[in-house]
Amino acid sequence: EAGVTQFPSHSVIEKGQTVTLRCDPISGHDNLYWYRRVMGKEIKFLLHFVKESKQDESGMPNNRFLAERTGGTYSTLKVQPAELEDSGVYFCASSPRTGESYGYTFGSGTRLTVV
Amino acid sequence: GEDVEQSLFLSVREGDSSVINCTYTDSSSTYLYWYKQEPGAGLQLLTYIFSNMDMKQDQRLTVLLNKKDKHLSLRIADTQTGDSAIYFCAESSSPGNTPLVFGKGTRLSVIA
Repeated sequence: EAGVTQFPSHSVIEKGQTVTLRCDPISGHDNLYWYRRVMGKEIKFLLHFVKESKQDESGMPNNRFLAERTGGTYSTLKVQPAELEDSGVYFCASSPRTGESYGYTFGSGTRLTVV
Repeated sequence: GEDVEQSLFLSVREGDSSVINCTYTDSSSTYLYWYKQEPGAGLQLLTYIFSNMDMKQDQRLTVLLNKKDKHLSLRIADTQTGDSAIYFCAESSSPGNTPLVFGKGTRLSVIA
Protein backbone atom coordinates (compact mmCIF):
# COMPACT_ATOMS: atom_id res chain seq x y z
CA GLU A 1 0.00 0.00 0.00
CA ALA A 2 1.28 3.46 -0.84
CA GLY A 3 2.18 5.60 2.15
CA VAL A 4 1.37 9.21 2.90
CA THR A 5 2.80 11.44 0.19
CA GLN A 6 3.68 15.06 0.58
CA PHE A 7 4.96 17.57 -1.92
CA PRO A 8 6.92 19.52 -2.50
CA SER A 9 9.62 18.06 -0.30
CA HIS A 10 11.31 21.46 -0.08
CA SER A 11 10.14 24.98 -0.77
CA VAL A 12 12.03 28.24 -0.48
CA ILE A 13 9.94 31.38 -0.86
CA GLU A 14 10.25 35.05 -0.11
CA LYS A 15 8.38 36.72 2.70
CA GLY A 16 5.00 37.84 1.45
CA GLN A 17 4.65 35.12 -1.17
CA THR A 18 2.12 32.30 -1.17
CA VAL A 19 2.91 28.62 -0.85
CA THR A 20 0.61 25.61 -1.10
CA LEU A 21 1.57 22.28 0.42
CA ARG A 22 -0.14 19.08 -0.56
CA CYS A 23 -0.73 15.82 1.25
CA ASP A 24 -2.07 12.59 -0.20
CA PRO A 25 -3.10 10.29 2.64
CA ILE A 26 -3.30 6.52 2.50
CA SER A 27 -6.33 5.60 0.45
CA GLY A 28 -9.36 5.02 2.63
CA HIS A 29 -8.00 6.82 5.68
CA ASP A 30 -10.70 9.13 6.99
CA ASN A 31 -8.47 11.02 9.41
CA LEU A 32 -5.89 13.47 8.11
CA TYR A 33 -3.68 15.64 10.30
CA TRP A 34 -1.28 18.50 9.68
CA TYR A 35 1.61 19.15 12.05
CA ARG A 36 4.53 21.54 12.00
CA ARG A 37 7.99 21.41 13.52
CA VAL A 38 9.88 24.63 13.90
CA MET A 39 13.65 24.08 14.21
CA GLY A 40 14.58 22.53 17.55
CA LYS A 41 11.08 22.61 18.93
CA GLU A 42 8.33 20.05 19.36
CA ILE A 43 6.09 18.85 16.57
CA LYS A 44 2.90 20.85 16.97
CA PHE A 45 -0.57 19.93 15.84
CA LEU A 46 -2.19 22.28 13.35
CA LEU A 47 -5.41 20.72 12.09
CA HIS A 48 -7.45 17.52 11.90
CA PHE A 49 -9.82 16.51 9.10
CA VAL A 50 -12.32 13.69 9.27
CA LYS A 51 -13.09 13.03 5.63
CA GLU A 52 -13.71 16.51 4.22
CA SER A 53 -14.74 18.14 7.50
CA LYS A 54 -12.47 20.08 9.82
CA GLN A 55 -12.73 18.26 13.12
CA ASP A 56 -10.26 20.42 15.03
CA GLU A 57 -8.36 23.44 13.78
CA SER A 58 -7.29 24.74 17.16
CA GLY A 59 -3.60 24.51 16.26
CA MET A 60 -3.72 26.78 13.23
CA PRO A 61 -1.46 29.75 14.05
CA ASN A 62 -3.49 32.50 12.38
CA ASN A 63 -5.70 33.27 9.42
CA ARG A 64 -2.77 33.28 7.00
CA PHE A 65 -3.09 29.49 7.03
CA LEU A 66 -5.89 27.82 5.09
CA ALA A 67 -6.38 24.07 4.87
CA GLU A 68 -8.77 22.23 2.61
CA ARG A 69 -9.67 18.63 1.92
CA THR A 70 -12.11 18.63 -0.93
CA GLY A 71 -13.84 15.30 -1.47
CA GLY A 72 -12.17 13.81 1.56
CA THR A 73 -9.10 12.70 -0.36
CA TYR A 74 -5.96 14.82 -0.60
CA SER A 75 -5.47 17.97 1.43
CA THR A 76 -3.78 21.29 0.79
CA LEU A 77 -2.34 23.76 3.26
CA LYS A 78 -1.88 27.26 1.92
CA VAL A 79 0.14 29.96 3.62
CA GLN A 80 -0.65 33.45 2.36
CA PRO A 81 1.26 35.70 2.83
CA ALA A 82 4.19 33.77 4.24
CA GLU A 83 6.20 35.21 7.12
CA LEU A 84 9.69 34.31 8.34
CA GLU A 85 8.33 32.48 11.40
CA ASP A 86 6.40 30.10 9.15
CA SER A 87 9.66 28.33 8.29
CA GLY A 88 9.76 24.73 9.46
CA VAL A 89 8.89 21.20 8.46
CA TYR A 90 5.22 20.53 7.79
CA PHE A 91 4.14 16.95 8.34
CA CYS A 92 0.94 15.29 7.27
CA ALA A 93 -0.38 12.10 8.84
CA SER A 94 -3.37 9.88 8.22
CA SER A 95 -5.16 7.17 10.15
CA PRO A 96 -8.17 4.94 9.58
CA ARG A 97 -11.43 5.22 11.46
CA THR A 98 -11.39 4.67 15.20
CA GLY A 99 -10.69 1.16 16.32
CA GLU A 100 -9.08 0.00 13.10
CA SER A 101 -5.56 0.99 13.99
CA TYR A 102 -3.57 2.57 16.75
CA GLY A 103 -1.03 4.10 14.44
CA TYR A 104 -0.75 7.31 12.56
CA THR A 105 1.21 7.12 9.30
CA PHE A 106 3.30 10.16 8.55
CA GLY A 107 4.58 11.56 5.30
CA SER A 108 8.17 12.67 4.77
CA GLY A 109 7.27 16.28 5.36
CA THR A 110 7.68 19.52 3.44
CA ARG A 111 10.58 21.71 4.53
CA LEU A 112 9.47 25.31 4.10
CA THR A 113 12.00 28.10 4.25
CA VAL A 114 10.78 31.69 4.14
CA VAL A 115 13.53 34.21 3.40
CA GLY B 1 -2.64 21.78 28.36
CA GLU B 2 -0.82 18.57 27.67
CA ASP B 3 2.96 18.63 27.76
CA VAL B 4 5.57 16.05 26.80
CA GLU B 5 9.19 16.52 27.85
CA GLN B 6 12.32 14.81 26.60
CA SER B 7 16.03 15.40 26.95
CA LEU B 8 17.40 16.83 23.72
CA PHE B 9 20.61 14.89 23.18
CA LEU B 10 22.03 11.44 23.89
CA SER B 11 25.35 10.02 22.78
CA VAL B 12 26.26 6.34 23.11
CA ARG B 13 28.93 3.99 21.82
CA GLU B 14 28.06 1.37 19.26
CA GLY B 15 27.06 -1.86 20.97
CA ASP B 16 25.95 -0.17 24.18
CA SER B 17 22.33 0.26 25.26
CA SER B 18 20.56 3.57 24.76
CA VAL B 19 17.82 4.77 27.07
CA ILE B 20 15.67 7.70 26.00
CA ASN B 21 13.35 9.14 28.62
CA CYS B 22 10.09 11.03 28.35
CA THR B 23 7.63 12.51 30.82
CA TYR B 24 4.08 13.60 30.09
CA THR B 25 1.46 15.49 32.02
CA ASP B 26 -1.90 14.38 30.61
CA SER B 27 -3.39 11.79 32.95
CA SER B 28 -5.92 10.83 30.26
CA SER B 29 -3.15 9.66 27.94
CA THR B 30 -4.07 6.15 26.99
CA TYR B 31 -1.57 5.44 24.24
CA LEU B 32 2.07 6.42 24.17
CA TYR B 33 4.24 6.25 21.10
CA TRP B 34 7.84 6.38 20.02
CA TYR B 35 8.59 7.74 16.57
CA LYS B 36 11.95 7.83 14.82
CA GLN B 37 13.03 10.46 12.30
CA GLU B 38 16.12 9.81 10.23
CA PRO B 39 17.73 12.71 8.35
CA GLY B 40 15.56 13.85 5.46
CA ALA B 41 12.89 11.26 6.21
CA GLY B 42 9.43 11.32 7.74
CA LEU B 43 8.32 10.05 11.10
CA GLN B 44 8.47 6.30 11.44
CA LEU B 45 6.39 4.62 14.12
CA LEU B 46 8.72 2.45 16.19
CA THR B 47 6.37 1.17 18.84
CA TYR B 48 3.48 2.11 21.06
CA ILE B 49 2.23 1.04 24.46
CA PHE B 50 -1.19 1.09 26.04
CA SER B 51 -1.49 2.81 29.39
CA ASN B 52 -2.60 -0.43 31.08
CA MET B 53 0.77 -2.02 30.27
CA ASP B 54 4.03 -1.61 32.15
CA MET B 55 6.39 -2.94 29.54
CA LYS B 56 6.51 -3.89 25.90
CA GLN B 57 9.39 -5.58 24.14
CA ASP B 58 9.95 -5.78 20.40
CA GLN B 59 13.30 -7.21 19.31
CA ARG B 60 15.95 -4.67 20.39
CA LEU B 61 13.39 -2.21 21.69
CA THR B 62 11.99 -2.20 25.23
CA VAL B 63 9.40 0.34 26.33
CA LEU B 64 8.80 0.90 30.03
CA LEU B 65 5.84 2.87 31.34
CA ASN B 66 5.47 4.19 34.87
CA LYS B 67 1.94 5.52 34.83
CA LYS B 68 2.09 6.81 38.40
CA ASP B 69 5.07 9.03 37.58
CA LYS B 70 3.93 9.61 33.98
CA HIS B 71 7.32 8.46 32.77
CA LEU B 72 8.04 6.57 29.57
CA SER B 73 11.36 5.20 28.40
CA LEU B 74 12.70 3.58 25.27
CA ARG B 75 15.65 1.25 25.57
CA ILE B 76 17.55 0.24 22.45
CA ALA B 77 19.80 -2.76 23.02
CA ASP B 78 23.05 -3.19 21.09
CA THR B 79 22.79 0.28 19.57
CA GLN B 80 24.01 0.52 15.98
CA THR B 81 25.12 3.49 13.89
CA GLY B 82 21.90 3.09 11.91
CA ASP B 83 19.99 3.96 15.07
CA SER B 84 21.30 7.53 14.92
CA ALA B 85 18.20 9.67 14.53
CA ILE B 86 15.78 11.90 16.40
CA TYR B 87 13.36 10.00 18.63
CA PHE B 88 10.03 11.57 19.47
CA CYS B 89 7.81 10.58 22.35
CA ALA B 90 4.10 11.24 21.76
CA GLU B 91 0.82 10.64 23.54
CA SER B 92 -2.82 10.38 22.58
CA SER B 93 -6.01 9.99 24.59
CA SER B 94 -7.88 8.48 21.64
CA PRO B 95 -5.57 7.03 19.01
CA GLY B 96 -6.41 7.82 15.45
CA ASN B 97 -9.18 10.09 16.60
CA THR B 98 -7.33 12.86 18.36
CA PRO B 99 -4.06 14.57 17.55
CA LEU B 100 -0.79 13.32 18.94
CA VAL B 101 1.06 15.53 21.42
CA PHE B 102 4.80 15.33 20.81
CA GLY B 103 7.91 16.09 22.77
CA LYS B 104 10.79 18.07 21.23
CA GLY B 105 12.66 14.93 20.29
CA THR B 106 15.90 13.38 21.50
CA ARG B 107 18.80 13.35 19.06
CA LEU B 108 20.64 10.06 19.45
CA SER B 109 24.22 9.97 18.21
CA VAL B 110 25.92 6.61 18.01
CA ILE B 111 29.72 6.66 18.08
CA ALA B 112 31.47 3.85 16.25
